[in-house]
Amino acid sequence: DAKTTQPNSMESNEEEPVHLPCNHSTISGTDYIHWYRQLPSQGPEYVIHGLTSNVNNRMASLAIAEDRKSSTLILHRATLRDAAVYYCILRRGTSYGKLTFGQGTILTVHP
Amino acid sequence: KAGVTQTPRYLIKTRGQQVTLSCSPISGHRSVSWYQQTPGQGLQFLFEYFSETQRNKGNFPGRFSGRQFSNSRSEMNVSTLELGDSALYLCASSLSDSPLHFGNGTRLTVT
Repeated sequence: DAKTTQPNSMESNEEEPVHLPCNHSTISGTDYIHWYRQLPSQGPEYVIHGLTSNVNNRMASLAIAEDRKSSTLILHRATLRDAAVYYCILRRGTSYGKLTFGQGTILTVHP
Repeated sequence: KAGVTQTPRYLIKTRGQQVTLSCSPISGHRSVSWYQQTPGQGLQFLFEYFSETQRNKGNFPGRFSGRQFSNSRSEMNVSTLELGDSALYLCASSLSDSPLHFGNGTRLTVT
């Protein structure tokens, strides 16, 4: 499986935008970029995914570089409830329920 | 719609015993995956079942096994428990290749 690299930790203030980067230089053409987050004492939660184009949903936006070797998860206005570990994962179409999680980025949100 | 339900939430077992964990997927989801989460190794994929057949398997010893029933409910079994099996075991369900929905896990402690 192609590998992703994320910063170990990031900090933000409440109501400010947060940009969480992810590098995936060995991404293949069939790999989708998925983001999940894990809040304390909960299972991971799906956030967003994309293939080539930027994507928006009610939770976040995903900006994908033109060469697809990096991507950025954007939380437009961080809240205290967004404090979590964020995982950037490459998912091949044939991998179905098999996700390869890295160490993720621990996001701390300050009031 | 009810989420993924895992039972029990907490379990304490003794080394050498065996344990069975249960997962009820979201209604209509036919894919069920299992993950192990430990502080040292992070989230690791165990196996995935789809329509009662194992579709993917991670790199775990044969002591870890699973099955899926005709109603898509799944169980995983760990035999001859070792101290290192202490972990949070997470179950996720999905519609084939759609995003995964995780339960909140079963925390297993082996003493």
